[in-house]
Amino acid sequence: IAGITQAPTSQILAAGRRMTLRCTQDMRHNAMYWYRQDLGLGLRLIHYSNTAGTTGKGEVPDGYSVSRANTDDFPLTLASAVPSQTSVYFCASSETGDTGELFFGEGSRLTVL
Amino acid sequence: GQNIDQPTEMTATEGAIVQINCTYQTSGFNGLFWYQQHAGEAPTFLSYNVLDGLEEKGRFSSFLSRSKGYSYLLLKELQMKDSASYLCAVRDQDYKLSFGAGTTVTVRA
Repeated sequence: IAGITQAPTSQILAAGRRMTLRCTQDMRHNAMYWYRQDLGLGLRLIHYSNTAGTTGKGEVPDGYSVSRANTDDFPLTLASAVPSQTSVYFCASSETGDTGELFFGEGSRLTVL
Repeated sequence: GQNIDQPTEMTATEGAIVQINCTYQTSGFNGLFWYQQHAGEAPTFLSYNVLDGLEEKGRFSSFLSRSKGYSYLLLKELQMKDSASYLCAVRDQDYKLSFGAGTTVTVRA
């Protein structure tokens, strides 16, 4: 089934550890995004990429990094996890132009202890 | 940046109509979206407005007034499966989407 795949689905890790959340799409969309969702705060944009080879900072980029080596993959890395990064992380993709609706992955639930 | 406001919660009866309002302040408007999110699931696209007026799609309609920075999502003939969170989102000129905190709609029998 075409769409966006995120991994892992759920993860518990110790503070200070490095963690990479994986995201792969097979829709050949130009743009990809990482959001975190916290109760009462809604979805907040962490980083985005409008095309392969380029990335940009969103609303809450500190403590996170991304890369976009090709069209399909957009991994999110936490270099040294902290408890405030406990959240549900959603990867999304879209075509720029036209409606440009976002298609979301199923989310990765991350708990930092 | 974007400042997006929507009510936190709404409750309605099965078969009724509910209107979810969304107001926004933006630096560079390039479209307004509504998404539905059931508990524990990913958001899914409902509607898109870029010009003023009403867009109708089955039981769901969305309205936009750009001059007032205002949109609403209208849900008609409510069903139990419509119990979910409804997210208002505004896109800027760089194609970045900013979301409101969401409105949790509870449908009661």
